[in-house]
Amino acid sequence: KQEVTQIPAALSVPEGENLVLNCSFTDSAIYNLQWFRQDPGKGLTSLLLIQSSQREQTSGRLNASLDKSSGRSTLYIAASQPGDSATYLCAVKAAGNKLTFGGGTRVLVKP
Amino acid sequence: KAGVTQTPRYLIKTRGQQVTLSCSPISGHRSVSWYQQTPGQGLQFLFEYFSETQRNKGNFPGRFSGRQFSNSRSEMNVSTLELGDSALYLCASSSQMTSGISTDTQYFGPGTRLTVL
Repeated sequence: KQEVTQIPAALSVPEGENLVLNCSFTDSAIYNLQWFRQDPGKGLTSLLLIQSSQREQTSGRLNASLDKSSGRSTLYIAASQPGDSATYLCAVKAAGNKLTFGGGTRVLVKP
Repeated sequence: KAGVTQTPRYLIKTRGQQVTLSCSPISGHRSVSWYQQTPGQGLQFLFEYFSETQRNKGNFPGRFSGRQFSNSRSEMNVSTLELGDSALYLCASSSQMTSGISTDTQYFGPGTRLTVL
């Protein structure tokens, strides 16, 4: 059974610092991994999608890496801003065509 | 293009009642998935539909059911509501065009917040 873990559960950084969010999964037989952002009480916003054959994806200040063999992904957010404060979730797609989510990392960027 | 829309956004029901939630995917998307989000269990997969067929189902009791229409809109129904069904119900769509595994980005709606009293 696929399990996805995100550590730490919460993170607080001063504005301008780089953010590093970690995601690990137990079964490397995945099709892809997706990072999402969720603001309080809202739905999920897709940030980056990494296919299983890819090592990383970049979008603006965001960069996500994937190491399938070790079951790890890292989301880097450069030069954090208060507007980056949110919960970040990673999810893997494997058999059953469903996403299995981690518990999320709640990020607070202090001005 | 309009995003995924869900109605209603908020719902309050009492135990024993039933409820129907609606999801309209992004235009052209044929795959629709449903997820339940609670503080204790996080995000859990309910079911997935593609071209009006349920392809996958999560580990939820039979009180949870769904369907998809020919225009790809989807509904989920929860019968005999329990207090533990209080949650944010999220719908997601993707643009896959074949019946196999989708490797496309999943786009989520804003969710329906269900409160069971």
